[in-house]
Amino acid sequence: AQTVTQSQPEMSVQEAETVTLSCTYDTSESDYYLFWYKQPPSRQMILVIRQEAYKQQNATENRFSVNFQKAAKSFSLKISDSQLGDAAMYFCAYRGGWTGNQFYFGTGTSLTVIP
Amino acid sequence: GAGVSQTPSNKVTEKGKYVELRCDPISGHTALYWYRQSLGQGPEFLIYFQGTGAADDSGLPNDRFFAVRPEGSVSTLKIQRTERGDSAVYLCASSPQSQATGELFFGEGSRLTVL
Repeated sequence: AQTVTQSQPEMSVQEAETVTLSCTYDTSESDYYLFWYKQPPSRQMILVIRQEAYKQQNATENRFSVNFQKAAKSFSLKISDSQLGDAAMYFCAYRGGWTGNQFYFGTGTSLTVIP
Repeated sequence: GAGVSQTPSNKVTEKGKYVELRCDPISGHTALYWYRQSLGQGPEFLIYFQGTGAADDSGLPNDRFFAVRPEGSVSTLKIQRTERGDSAVYLCASSPQSQATGELFFGEGSRLTVL
């Protein structure tokens, strides 16, 4: 099975600053999809950003962007101009192109935003 | 409905009891997933439905766990003879189609506590 690793259990950032959350994954597939999900205390997982592996261009959604390094199997999330509402658990997830039924999640990174 | 709805939000039960957790997906979503999230961990895949049938139940930990989706909409996760190790948040998610490249839409989860 594919594995997703988030090596930073906790991160903190000053409000308005930039923070990068790390994610690596292991797969033998060439076609797949990567996601970052945010989970606030309400428990509901919310999609932050998505990247298709066949696209070389890094995905961007407003203040959120990714650094996708396919050869290195790395998928980091950069949050610019951090806001208090960004505080949450962030999960990196992998979905295979051919075995797309399952999403594989990392163990998460707890982000604290300091006012 | 507007989003994925899960009931109950919280369930406390005694060891050995039977529990049912309900998921009402977004209207029109044919794919439905159950995940289990233990404290400090990422979501762990349990089962996936496409329509009424369980397309992949490889994540169910043992035969005490069972899930149904009789009419292709609402799903019920059933746990028999509950054990303390079953305590976790059970997340339901839906998706518009199978093998989709898009994201999963999650509910807020049902927190199960087995005493």
